Amino acid sequence: SQQGEEDPQALSIQEGENATMNCSYKTSINNLQWYRQNSGRGLVHLILIRSNEREKHSGRLRVTLDTSKKSSSLLITASRAADTASYFCATDAELYSGGGADGLTFGKGTHLIIQP
Amino acid sequence: AAGVIQSPRHLIKEKRETATLKCYPIPRHDTVYWYQQGPGQDPQFLISFYEKMQSDKGSIPDRFSAQQFSDYHSELNMSSLELGDSALYFCASSSDGHSGNTIYFGEGSWLTVV
Repeated sequence: SQQGEEDPQALSIQEGENATMNCSYKTSINNLQWYRQNSGRGLVHLILIRSNEREKHSGRLRVTLDTSKKSSSLLITASRAADTASYFCATDAELYSGGGADGLTFGKGTHLIIQP
Repeated sequence: AAGVIQSPRHLIKEKRETATLKCYPIPRHDTVYWYQQGPGQDPQFLISFYEKMQSDKGSIPDRFSAQQFSDYHSELNMSSLELGDSALYFCASSSDGHSGNTIYFGEGSWLTVV
C-alpha cells in the first residue's frame, strides 16, 4: 500500500507567492525526506527531517513533521520560476533498530508550476 | 562535489533481450539503492546493498538481479525484458546504510523496451 500520499497533486501559483505541499504516511518512520525532480531528471535531495524533529529550515524551504498525525509539509517561500518541478516526500520506515539500507517509499508527488 | 554516476544514460532494447545498468556511488558511500520510475509514476524501490551484501528488497521482479562489487559500484541486470520495463532507473547512494543519512540520487538511466 502507498506509504506516502501528497496533496495537492498539482499546484500553480504566481512567482513570489508561497507554495505549500503536504505529505501523509501510514507507518512509523525514522525520517522523512523531500526531493525535487525536474521533468525526466534525477531526484535532488532537499531536506531530511528526523522523527524526533518538528521543524527544519533550509534557505527558502521550511519542513514540518507531525508524527502524531503522520504528516509533513514543505513550504517554499518567495517562489521562483526555477522552482517549477515535481516534489516528492519519501519515508524511511522504522523497520530496523539499526543498520540495514532501508528503501525509501515515495509519495505520488506534487507538480508545482510557478507562473512568471 | 562528486555525485552518483549512472551509465548508460539511455538504452533501447527489444523485448526478451537483456540489459545491464551500472551505478558508481559517491566516493566513500558504501550503500547503494535501485529505484524504478515509470512514466508519470513515483519512484519504486527495487533493492539495496550495504557493504556489498543485499540489504533490503522491494518490488524487484525475479527477472532482475543486482549486485554490489568490491569497489562499491553496483550493476542491475534485467533479463527477458518486457514492454512494461520501460522506465527511468535510478541509483542512489548513502553512507553507513543506517537510517537517517541523506540518500543521493543519480540522474537515472532511461530504458526503452520496444
